[in-house]
Amino acid sequence: EAGVTQFPSHSVIEKGQTVTLRCDPISGHDNLYWYRRVMGKEIKFLLHFVKESKQDESGMPNNRFLAERTGGTYSTLKVQPAELEDSGVYFCASSTTGGSTYNEQFFGPGTRLTVL
Amino acid sequence: GNSVTQMEGPVTLSEEAFLTINCTYTATGYPSLFWYVQYPGEGLQLLLKATKADDKGSNKGFEATYRKETTSFHLEKGSVQVSDSAVYFCALRGTNDYKLSFGAGTTVTVRA
Repeated sequence: EAGVTQFPSHSVIEKGQTVTLRCDPISGHDNLYWYRRVMGKEIKFLLHFVKESKQDESGMPNNRFLAERTGGTYSTLKVQPAELEDSGVYFCASSTTGGSTYNEQFFGPGTRLTVL
Repeated sequence: GNSVTQMEGPVTLSEEAFLTINCTYTATGYPSLFWYVQYPGEGLQLLLKATKADDKGSNKGFEATYRKETTSFHLEKGSVQVSDSAVYFCALRGTNDYKLSFGAGTTVTVRA
């Protein structure tokens, strides 16, 4: 079974440009999460999808970030326009939902975003 | 809110040395606690977990015990190998929650 995949693995862009990150969750996983690690600090939650619906986007830093999950499969995270402080590693994770609990989150390798 | 504080790195050890990475947390209720590991070029992997007080999680020679009285979940391994070189993250998930709260990560390098 394929794991969570993310594309690209590394992106270098200039301030003001737009970047779109993609995440393909494990097949059959309804829950999809985005997290971010900035400058070697803690990994922080950005948002959570259940199928195609945004369940919680409380961690999104500002309106320059837009996440979508059309059809409830893969997800994209667009940053427009990018700022220097957006540099970091963006992780995607997915999980099933079992009973009343959320199951283990499986993480992708991350996309390293560098904004110059 | 929930938060995790873990020992800052980087940590450099020789093979067969003892490894401890301290982790303490702040949370209401009874969170579940986790250690994740990220090997070079790979994604985060769940290393071990504990879901209630006094539980001990263990995997690949690593252990951590959920200590509610000290709000800690320290990671230990008695004899590290070069292949244990990685970044280790302590994390918690609140009761009936789905979000993970992570510590800042500790980079461990094991030298032969």
